[in-house]
Amino acid sequence: QVQLMQSGAEVKKPGASVKVSCKASGYTFTSYFMHWVRQAPGQGLEWMGMINPSGGITRYAQKFQGRVTMTRDTSTSTVYMELSSLRFEDTAVYFCVRGGGYAFPFDYWGQGTLVTVSS
Amino acid sequence: DIQMTQSPSTLSASVGDRVTITCRASQSISSWLAWYQQKPGKAPKLLIYKASNLESGVPSRFSGSASGTEFTLTISSLQPDDFATYYCQQYNTYWTFGQGTKVEIK
Repeated sequence: QVQLMQSGAEVKKPGASVKVSCKASGYTFTSYFMHWVRQAPGQGLEWMGMINPSGGITRYAQKFQGRVTMTRDTSTSTVYMELSSLRFEDTAVYFCVRGGGYAFPFDYWGQGTLVTVSS
Repeated sequence: DIQMTQSPSTLSASVGDRVTITCRASQSISSWLAWYQQKPGKAPKLLIYKASNLESGVPSRFSGSASGTEFTLTISSLQPDDFATYYCQQYNTYWTFGQGTKVEIK
């Protein structure tokens, strides 16, 4: 069965960076895009960007351009999302989410990783 | 960027009610629209894709429709398990979510 297992909760100071991992299993890793979606406390869902594990092409939401980097390791079927220059408003749960490609919705979600930015 | 405007933001209803949630796109997205359900502390779950196609395993009381840039999610008879927050998402150009609609107990 498809599983997306994310790394554990993080606490970071403003200005620092955080790197969240997402290990995929139960399907062919390079056949599906992987997206990152975040949700601030009590707020809605926000798409951050995506990576195509086959080739590593990325697309980022304009809001996060220059601050986010998504990478993948095909040998371990793991994707990574690094967010730099953290601000208090980056406190959120970060989800990795599988998608079928362009013009496809999201079908499987990770359990979420809480990132807290606090001084 | 394509904006998705969802309404209402909160909806109070009773078990057995017919519930309708609307989502409007800022430009044409064809039928590239999905609906998700999210319960507190959980990841969202895909309910409907391509505006009106029911995801496998989703109860038939959920349905979706489209008219131009306006999309509707309907729950024909609200069940206790349906109290949750619902999000629309366009995937015509990248991916964008609506602000969400919380369906609460009246």
